[in-house]
Amino acid sequence: GPKVLQIPSHQIIDMGQMVTLNCDPVSNHLYFYWYKQILGQQMEFLVNFYNGKVMEKSKLFKDQFSVERPDGSYFTLKIQPTALEDSAVYFCASSPRLGGNQDTQYFGPGTRLLVL
Amino acid sequence: QQKVQQSPESLIVPEGGMASLNCTSSDRNVDYFWWYRQHSGKSPKMLMSIFSNGEKEEGRFTVHLNKASLHTSLHIRDSQPSDSALYLCAASMGYNQGKLIFGQGTKLSIKP
Repeated sequence: GPKVLQIPSHQIIDMGQMVTLNCDPVSNHLYFYWYKQILGQQMEFLVNFYNGKVMEKSKLFKDQFSVERPDGSYFTLKIQPTALEDSAVYFCASSPRLGGNQDTQYFGPGTRLLVL
Repeated sequence: QQKVQQSPESLIVPEGGMASLNCTSSDRNVDYFWWYRQHSGKSPKMLMSIFSNGEKEEGRFTVHLNKASLHTSLHIRDSQPSDSALYLCAASMGYNQGKLIFGQGTKLSIKP
């Protein structure tokens, strides 16, 4: 089936540094998402993105977070600067049409981020 | 307050048995439910979705939805060891730009 790839699979970083998480969505998909899962808790929506713009973001999407997909390359989540509470698994998802009620979201395997 | 609650937290079923997983939303704006399966270290993969009252069957998997109570259940018959995984229930609302609201998951173990 359709595959979403995420790079790297694991990242360890010192608090205050910048980190970029990369997502390679399914090739013909137009809508992109980031979700965050803290250990032992449920996955939570961060942001979705379409046509170069953020459509919706949650309160977890702090000012230190940004997303972009320059020229059809990776869809990225950048955190600058990182904080201890940013330690989590970050899942990328994509869908051909708007997800939720209109279409299935396909998820990547996650990037495990540890901020020290 | 969690908007999507799943039960049980974990479940052990003998091989060949029936596994039944539950999910309820406390938000009356929810109108679509999704069931995802996630093997350890892998991507969550969509199993089934439902938005109409009643039931839907695909192979060994059956999903039920009661819209009045916003309760959905997933049933796996003839369970196999490969069904051992984390099962995630997610809900969505027609107006909210594709956001999925997830429950905390049910960890299913199938014992040979």
